[in-house]
Amino acid sequence: EAGVAQSPRYKIIEKRQSVAFWCNPISGHATLYWYQQILGQGPKLLIQFQNNGVVDDSQLPKDRFSAERLKGVDSTLKIQPAKLEDSAVYLCASSQLQGSSYEQYFGPGTRLTVT
Amino acid sequence: GNSVTQMEGPVTLSEEAFLTINCTYTATGYPSLFWYVQYPGEGLQLLLKATKADDKGSNKGFEATYRKETTSFHLEKGSVQVSDSAVYFCALRKFTGNQFYFGTGTSLTVIP
Repeated sequence: EAGVAQSPRYKIIEKRQSVAFWCNPISGHATLYWYQQILGQGPKLLIQFQNNGVVDDSQLPKDRFSAERLKGVDSTLKIQPAKLEDSAVYLCASSQLQGSSYEQYFGPGTRLTVT
Repeated sequence: GNSVTQMEGPVTLSEEAFLTINCTYTATGYPSLFWYVQYPGEGLQLLLKATKADDKGSNKGFEATYRKETTSFHLEKGSVQVSDSAVYFCALRKFTGNQFYFGTGTSLTVIP
């Protein structure tokens, strides 16, 4: 089965510019997550979708970050305007409810550098 | 609240040495516990999991036991290989809501 797809893999932008990331989860996975992973740290959840509804966006900086998941499949994460501290790897993950085991499958990530 | 605390790295071991990476957690209810591995330049991959107390997860020679009394899920391997060099993340999933919380990661380097 195909894994979680993300694009682009790398992006370099200047501060105050905008950027968008795309994620295509594993087919049939109802839950989709966006994480921010700063160098040397663990992934931090930005937003979680269940189908096309938001379950948790408590750590999403809503003044500059936005995300959507139209039709409950693909998702985009946008940053506008970017700041230097947004430099990180942005990970997308998806999961399917399987009894009591909720495994997440991760995409390769998008490495963002803000200069 | 929910959180995961991992042993800080980096860890450097010789090939065939014994590995332990400590992980403790704080959670309400009955979380599921996971170890993920991230090889250089790649995304996170599930290494093993345990969904209830006293469960032992195992994969590729790695093991971890869900200890509710000590709120721990330590990762062990009896004989590491150079190919095990990676960053290891401990994580928990909330009992309700399906949110995951990750530790800060432990970098392992195995030298021949």
